[in-house]
Amino acid sequence: GAGVSQSPSNKVTEKGKDVELRCDPISGHTALYWYRQSLGQGLEFLIYFQGNSAPDKSGLPSDRFSAERTGGSVSTLTIQRTQQEDSAVYLCASSLRQGAGANVLTFGAGSRLTVL
Amino acid sequence: RKEVEQDPGPFNVPEGATVAFNCTYSNSASQSFFWYRQDCRKEPKLLMSVYSSGNEDGRFTAQLNRASQYISLLIRDSKLSDSATYLCVVNGRYTDKLIFGTGTRLQVFP
Repeated sequence: GAGVSQSPSNKVTEKGKDVELRCDPISGHTALYWYRQSLGQGLEFLIYFQGNSAPDKSGLPSDRFSAERTGGSVSTLTIQRTQQEDSAVYLCASSLRQGAGANVLTFGAGSRLTVL
Repeated sequence: RKEVEQDPGPFNVPEGATVAFNCTYSNSASQSFFWYRQDCRKEPKLLMSVYSSGNEDGRFTAQLNRASQYISLLIRDSKLSDSATYLCVVNGRYTDKLIFGTGTRLQVFP
């Protein structure tokens, strides 16, 4: 696609429920990132996928969070047993790893998660 | 110490002013440096990459100081439309994952 696509754009859920957030990166971009941004705060790194390498999961805040990337393209971020502090905008970004534009991130519009 | 640190501001400046932001980073091996801009309730967008020799794009000038481990962004002749949060981005320790600073908020007033 022309840009990074994220869905859903908004998700309201009850505490304790599981949620899945989807990211469809730009075609050909080998690197994919998930960040989290709480209201009025900066971007918090969550996880980074690069090609076929093992993902860098160092930013995942707890074992309730997991992510996968199928076929080197679409990624899903799953949050189990959601808590109110999980409420935030979840941003996905993709980039080329090499060549012109390497490491330049293009972001999706984000998925706004509200946990009641 | 945070990997990437910025003064959160806000910087309130009149139209036409020159304003500068600094960003310090902790990983001396970092190779990739960027400035992104984020408007309220929008996703970040690339403003400019930062090259070793410094670079300019219109009213915007970015510089890198490896010895002191900081990058800077200078905005000349500020416009109302420059009001936004400016995010410093650096690749992290032992990895090429990209780490964002918390951002510096700029408000340009008439």
